[in-house]
Amino acid sequence: QSALTQPASVSGSPGQSITISCTGTSSDVGSYNFVSWYQQHPGKAPKLMIFDVSNRPSGVSSRLSGSKSGNTASLTISGLQTEDEANYYCSSFTSTNTWVFGGGTKLTVL
Amino acid sequence: EVQLLESGGALVQPGGSLRLSCAASGFTFSSHAMSWVRQAPGKGLEWISHIVGGGGSAYYADSVRGRLTISRDNSRNILYLQMSSLRAEDTAVYYCARHGGYSGSYQVDHWGQGTLVTVSS
Repeated sequence: QSALTQPASVSGSPGQSITISCTGTSSDVGSYNFVSWYQQHPGKAPKLMIFDVSNRPSGVSSRLSGSKSGNTASLTISGLQTEDEANYYCSSFTSTNTWVFGGGTKLTVL
Repeated sequence: EVQLLESGGALVQPGGSLRLSCAASGFTFSSHAMSWVRQAPGKGLEWISHIVGGGGSAYYADSVRGRLTISRDNSRNILYLQMSSLRAEDTAVYYCARHGGYSGSYQVDHWGQGTLVTVSS
């Protein structure tokens, strides 16, 4: 149950686009389309932003999109806004019927 | 509106025990798998356990298997986490989380506000 691999930090200017990668293995990301992304502001509970690789829950901005290729999933945020500044975590269902999270990525909007 | 309210967090000595509770409302509790996810101070999220909607199956992370036990009371809409043989590395905010469907393969779609467990002498 090793954590998924995410970059520790990414940054971008308002209006730009950024992509956060999430690399797992053939036992998790590579085998299932059960990949989710969460946004967490400091001191707050996480919030679901993307589920099943590329689906957005009601109320989540269309500026967010998700994709997957092989063992790597990605979250793209376009038209960066200051309120996007937060920590982002990916997660995946695994072959042992468990879940695993990524280490988290701090997004800074410059 | 889905609401998840955790309670039971406390300061406990190493080797001690504690039971966390999560009161759920705003949805049909027995139709959803539930998880506990923790976050150590300044660290990332760690999934530790989930239980299916009916309570018949539960799964654990290797780091907690044998020491933590998840359970649920569907008649009272409460999720529990019984914690024993606690270690300093169990210090974290513990979140109760709802899955989008009966089985744990559904995404976690709602989170509680968390309860803090501190293991220290």
